[in-house]
Order: sequence, then C-alpha cells, then structure tokens
Amino acid sequence: QKEVEQDPGPLSVPEGAIVSLNCTYSNSAFQYFMWYRQYSRKGPELLMYTYSSGNKEDGRFTAQVDKSSKYISLFIRDSQPSDSATYLCAMQPGTYKYIFGTGTRLKVLA
Amino acid sequence: DAGVTQSPTHLIKTRGQQVTLRCSPKSGHDTVSWYQQALGQGPQFIFQYYEEEERQRGNFPDRFSGHQFPNYSSELNVNALLLGDSALYLCASSLFLAGRDTQYFGPGTRLTVL
Repeated sequence: QKEVEQDPGPLSVPEGAIVSLNCTYSNSAFQYFMWYRQYSRKGPELLMYTYSSGNKEDGRFTAQVDKSSKYISLFIRDSQPSDSATYLCAMQPGTYKYIFGTGTRLKVLA
Repeated sequence: DAGVTQSPTHLIKTRGQQVTLRCSPKSGHDTVSWYQQALGQGPQFIFQYYEEEERQRGNFPDRFSGHQFPNYSSELNVNALLLGDSALYLCASSLFLAGRDTQYFGPGTRLTVL
C-alpha cells in the first residue's frame, strides 16, 4: 500500500464547475500538506499548503485537511480551461522530504 | 526575482553513460532537494542537500549522487545509466523558516536513456 493514494483520473468537468480533488494517506506522522499544479512537461507549481485540520482558502482554491480520517481535498471554484493540468498532493512528515501522490489529471471543457 | 533554474532542459544518453544535471536555487534559499518523476507518476524524493552535505536520502541506489556548492547551487550525477532512469528530474529549493520549509520546483530536466 502506498503512503499517499490519489486517483489518477482523468477528471473532465465543464467550465464553471466546482472541482473536488482528493488524497488519502496512511502515515499519521504527516504534519504538512501541499497541493501543486503541474502543466504538461513543466515543473510543479505550489498552490496551497496547510498544517492543521480545517479549511484554508486562497482565491478560487480551498484546501481541506481531515487528520482524523487521513484525508485531504482541494476544491476549485468557477473552474476555467486554464485550470486543466495535473494536480499533485504532497505530504511531509516533519522536515525534509515530500511524499507525493500520483497526481490527478483534470480537464476543464470550454 | 529568479525562481529555481535547471539545466539542461533535455538530455539524451545511452545505457551505461553518466550524466550531470544542474540546479540553481531560488534567491535566498539554502536547501536543494532532487526528485525523479517517471511518466504518469508523482515525484519521488532522491536526496536533499543543506550546507554542502547530503541531509536525507530516498530509496535510490548509490549510482545517484549529488553535490552542493558554497553558492547553494547543486548537481545531480547518475552513473551507469539504465533505461529505467528515463524521467523528468526536478530540483526544488527551500529555506527553513519558523520551523518549516516550503519547496519550490524548477522546470525540470527531461532525461531520455536509449
């Protein structure tokens, strides 16, 4: 079993939809949780990071962490075709290495 | 403010050869981490360098080695290349602040081993 599980998709939604992306994890030592966006053949771009259970909002993006269920989510409101990319969740047990999910491919249709 | 830069962008090598990839961290960052990303997979941690020392290593063989220079830039070396080493190699830089670090990634070097 992988430490971080993420549905690879692809996930196709119409423009303007609310997108929900999720990851589950098994290691209760994870303290920090990140979401990255990666366009094709580019490096990952940091979108959100959080370290506690609850919600964190930044513009159209909301990150949610439920440590009791070992489940994190990223919500994208009013999705745009430019949001089409692969979304990677990443987790950190304390310091140093990040552990990534496989990424979910999202396609927002105009 | 320049972000993380990596060179070269693309590289083609044959099995058994050696390769060196380079990374310059974001201005003000002192820590460099290297990741390998195979097609359709998430990045896998190779190692992290801080103060010119390897601070943590992932599950990669000794064929993978690195170096950090006094100006915080870094190199990743891979010896005796295998077909399975074909991947996007990502460098991430960070700075410990208030007890945590946030890693920012470069564009990557795409290595193809034939």
